[in-house]
Amino acid sequence: DTEVTQTPKHLVMGMTNKKSLKCEQHMGHRAMYWYKQKAKKPPELMFVYSYEKLSINESVPSRFSPECPNSSLLNLHLHALQPEDSALYLCASSPKQGLAKNIQYFGAGTRLSVL
Amino acid sequence: AQKITQTQPGMFVQEKEAVTLDCTYDTSDQSYGLFWYKQPSSGEMIFLIYQGSYDEQNATEGRYSLNFQKARKSANLVISASQLGDSAMYFCAMREINYGQNFVFGPGTRLSVLP
Repeated sequence: DTEVTQTPKHLVMGMTNKKSLKCEQHMGHRAMYWYKQKAKKPPELMFVYSYEKLSINESVPSRFSPECPNSSLLNLHLHALQPEDSALYLCASSPKQGLAKNIQYFGAGTRLSVL
Repeated sequence: AQKITQTQPGMFVQEKEAVTLDCTYDTSDQSYGLFWYKQPSSGEMIFLIYQGSYDEQNATEGRYSLNFQKARKSANLVISASQLGDSAMYFCAMREINYGQNFVFGPGTRLSVLP
């Protein structure tokens, strides 16, 4: 089973709202990722967690706050977003970060609209 | 410099025909992995096939095969017997083992399968 589950599927929020995106995997993977994807563009890496510790932050604005409560769960907390943050947010997981054949398995994403 | 190039923004193929999606890459790392993902309009990134830089045989997964030409730094995806459900965006990605380890995605190719 290569399933990564993301909730919600769609989210509309105002610029003053606080919301969270959730990602869950039960494949025993120890690396989890957040990507942002704008329309007609490839995904852009935001954060990487390895063994529940933040290992990479690709200079993401502080209005995005990741959290990894346990090895199966990854959250992305959103606060005071801008309209340009509207995008598809994809979560992925992989067995470990350092493997050569490090296949990342993606969820279906959350389509976020910031009004 | 762009590390992954996909020169075909859009491609059309007749149902049941074979199609080749181009991917060229640039790296000075001797150890790397190449991946192809499919993204339907629903948004989920679906892993298709993997090729390691030291793999001597071209990778195959069902109707998907990877035409790996290491000296030319190309990793083209071949889809045989196209189906209507193959209509999607296709992304080529690379992971350099010694330089950063993160996925770098190409700009993608939109494939449309015609009935």
